[in-house]
Amino acid sequence: KAGVTQTPRYLIKTRGQQVTLSCSPISGHRSVSWYQQTPGQGLQFLFEYFSETQRNKGNFPGRFSGRQFSNSRSEMNVSTLELGDSALYLCASSLGDGTNQPQHFGDGTRLSIL
Amino acid sequence: AQSVTQLGSHVSVSEGALVLLRCNYSSSVPPYLFWYVQYPNQGLQLLLKYTTGATLVKGINGFEAEFKKSETSFHLTKPSAHMSDAAEYFCAVSERDTDKLIFGTGTRLQVFP
Repeated sequence: KAGVTQTPRYLIKTRGQQVTLSCSPISGHRSVSWYQQTPGQGLQFLFEYFSETQRNKGNFPGRFSGRQFSNSRSEMNVSTLELGDSALYLCASSLGDGTNQPQHFGDGTRLSIL
Repeated sequence: AQSVTQLGSHVSVSEGALVLLRCNYSSSVPPYLFWYVQYPNQGLQLLLKYTTGATLVKGINGFEAEFKKSETSFHLTKPSAHMSDAAEYFCAVSERDTDKLIFGTGTRLQVFP
């Protein structure tokens, strides 16, 4: 069974640009969550999507948004990039059926802002 | 709000020695508890989880953790460290009706020969 796939693995952008990251969950998983990992703030929850609806949201500004498609694939968008957005963005998928099955993580997209 | 505290951002052990990584959570209701490991340039890999039932949980690679409600702890142990165990370890909690994970700040484990 293929794992969680995130593309691209590495991305370099400049301040003010916008970026879209992609996540393909494990087959059969309907919940996709996004996390930001930085040396200063650690791992922080961005949002969770389930059946194309945002089910949970962390404390990030509105520049961070996401969506989920009918095949459960998810995208995350960050607009008006700031230097502080440089981070490893991790996607995780799970069944999302309320049984708290563990989340499975992808290898992440490392975003660098110049 | 739930929180997770991992005592010790760095832990160093000799190969063959006991590994003990500490995790305490704050929650009025026992949450679900997880340990993840992260190797360089990779995502997080689940080591073990506690949801309900037996409080001693065995995971992959010889790791285990014990849920102690009275101490609000979920420490990770391994009897004998291997060089390949060198990585960063994260303790995480989630409430019982959500997939949202709250992570600790992580503990970097170094294993010396």
